Amino acid sequence: GAGVSQSPSNKVTEKGKDVELRCDPISGHTALYWYRQSLGQGLEFLIYFQGNSAPDKSGLPSDRFSAERTGGSVSTLTIQRTQQEDSAVYLCASSLRSGERGTQYFGPGTRLLVL
Amino acid sequence: GQQLNQSPQSMFIQEGEDVSMNCTSSSIFNTWLWYKQDPGEGPVLLIALYKAGELTSNGRLTAQFGITRKDSFLNISASIPSDVGIYFCAALIQGAQKLVFGQGTRLTINP
Repeated sequence: GAGVSQSPSNKVTEKGKDVELRCDPISGHTALYWYRQSLGQGLEFLIYFQGNSAPDKSGLPSDRFSAERTGGSVSTLTIQRTQQEDSAVYLCASSLRSGERGTQYFGPGTRLLVL
Repeated sequence: GQQLNQSPQSMFIQEGEDVSMNCTSSSIFNTWLWYKQDPGEGPVLLIALYKAGELTSNGRLTAQFGITRKDSFLNISASIPSDVGIYFCAALIQGAQKLVFGQGTRLTINP
């Protein structure tokens, strides 16, 4: 596709279950980002991948959160033992290159609800 | 950490009016960005600013990168119904890759 795609678009899960969220970046984009958006709030940085470099995990809120990017393309964000406070929209973005001129293009997000 | 203070939080205007919103911070940034987010969608980039003092227009939108590098504003002229949505400022820290976002300005237009 032409843009960043994410799946699923919506996810309802029970507290304590694990969830996996997927992001397909724009073809050829080397940088990939995950953000979290709580209701009525701005976006909060979670993790950043650039090529084969070690990811910047500085925004992950706890060790229940992890992400990987296989083959420099698709990325999966995993939340283990979900808690109700994990409910949010999880947004993925990609850019052609990193840094100040690397415009980030966002996907539509995955809306996660933890009951 | 770095924070962006965006105001106003919400605006209720009549169609055809001009709109102004801004973001301020105590930190210095090298890039300021303005995004618009429609319900159920991800943010879409409107304007990017890369130099202090830069004034950039995109149709009816105009944005400026403050001289102090600690603030930016976005103006929308002659608002139309499709301008409804949430507008976010974002900034990039020098040498860093992650964006810091403001809390958003929700724009509502009364017909």
